[in-house]
Amino acid sequence: DVKVTQSSRYLVKRTGEKVFLECVQDMDHENMFWYRQDPGLGLRLIYFSYDVKMKEKGDIPEGYSVSREKKERFSLILESASTNQTSMYLCASSLGGGQANEQFFGPGTRLTVL
Amino acid sequence: LAKTTQPISMDSYEGQEVNITCSHNNIATNDYITWYQQFPSQGPRFIIQGYKTKVTNEVASLFIPADRKSSTLSLPRVSLSDTAVYYCLVGGGNNRLAFGKGNQVVVIP
Repeated sequence: DVKVTQSSRYLVKRTGEKVFLECVQDMDHENMFWYRQDPGLGLRLIYFSYDVKMKEKGDIPEGYSVSREKKERFSLILESASTNQTSMYLCASSLGGGQANEQFFGPGTRLTVL
Repeated sequence: LAKTTQPISMDSYEGQEVNITCSHNNIATNDYITWYQQFPSQGPRFIIQGYKTKVTNEVASLFIPADRKSSTLSLPRVSLSDTAVYYCLVGGGNNRLAFGKGNQVVVIP
């Protein structure tokens, strides 16, 4: 079974703090994704990566950056957290070779910025 | 992005067949149609994917007409545990996949 793990289920940070959300997958997948999910807005793509050190902006990249130094790990970074970044963050991975490949999701991190 | 349109929510009684429609008028020639299911406090889970005509697996069926501008996910004999949000995604070819807001399905006893 594919396993995607996220470093925390719940996280509380203060405005202006630098926040790191970590995601690790164990199936040697090439593609990794970061989404945020908010009530009434569904899932929105923040960033994705097709390979190590590769990254592409999604629909809402402002205020976020990412890092992929190893194939199995994809980190989402909030350089200076703001209250409007309070949300559920979901990481996913999929095989390379096509964007339509099945995505496997982690359990999510619920981030609260005070 | 290929825009998809789904109903916001729908109710169904336990044991009935549920059909969820999705419109995707600007689907590209090489795009696929993919459906995911999401339970509360979990990430989405892949259900089914198709390109044209009909696809069936152990969970659902996917019907795609010849013009591919819409699709219908069919869940046979739903149970209470099928209460979830269902997302229709179009992409993988010229269009990047996007989840959208999904369709909340509530199964009533």
